[in-house]
Amino acid sequence: NAGVTQTPKFQVLKTGQSMTLQCAQDMNHEYMSWYRQDPGMGLRLIHYSVGAGITDQGEVPNGYNVSRSTTEDFPLRLLSAAPSQTSVYFCASSYVGRMDTEAFFGQGTRLTVV
Amino acid sequence: GEDVEQSLFLSVREGDSSVINCTYTDSSSTYLYWYKQEPGAGLQLLTYIFSNMDMKQDQRLTVLLNKKDKHLSLRIADTQTGDSAIYFCAATGGKLIFGQGTELSVKP
Repeated sequence: NAGVTQTPKFQVLKTGQSMTLQCAQDMNHEYMSWYRQDPGMGLRLIHYSVGAGITDQGEVPNGYNVSRSTTEDFPLRLLSAAPSQTSVYFCASSYVGRMDTEAFFGQGTRLTVV
Repeated sequence: GEDVEQSLFLSVREGDSSVINCTYTDSSSTYLYWYKQEPGAGLQLLTYIFSNMDMKQDQRLTVLLNKKDKHLSLRIADTQTGDSAIYFCAATGGKLIFGQGTELSVKP
């Protein structure tokens, strides 16, 4: 019973490098989302998806791309990493239209950009 | 869009009640949630309330909703040291938007 799996758990990047944070869920959830968590800022929504082939921007989308080719996977791509993207990233999934059910979170990816 | 605000810190003594407050802006938010985050972990759902309810009680947790003022609170009765964590309020009318989180510190 894996739930939401994020990889890697830790990553250090140099400014200008690109990378992809992986997120996979095995609960057949339609809704998946990416958040970043910064001290004093809470969780801010980066991008979200309500189903395969559908993505939309959240509160802080700049510098990030997403795609949703399957229900299970929702990767987050950093195109050209900047120090301002140093953060802890969380992926979450839930059912669409069943908002009385919880969103399940991955364990987080701690990213440092130097 | 939706904006959710919380105070950042709360400190209580073990055995006291804790009250964590939250305000939100989007009156169309249909569900409001409280999540708990322990150090180094993801978020776990504590409880939720539907927007047509005023109160929900679940063991030591009581959620109060004032829809007119768009104010949500979480009361934890008989707070224990194991309740020390960051508590997030979240609202949704579609996207799930979180507040900044309130760090609860419980002193013995």
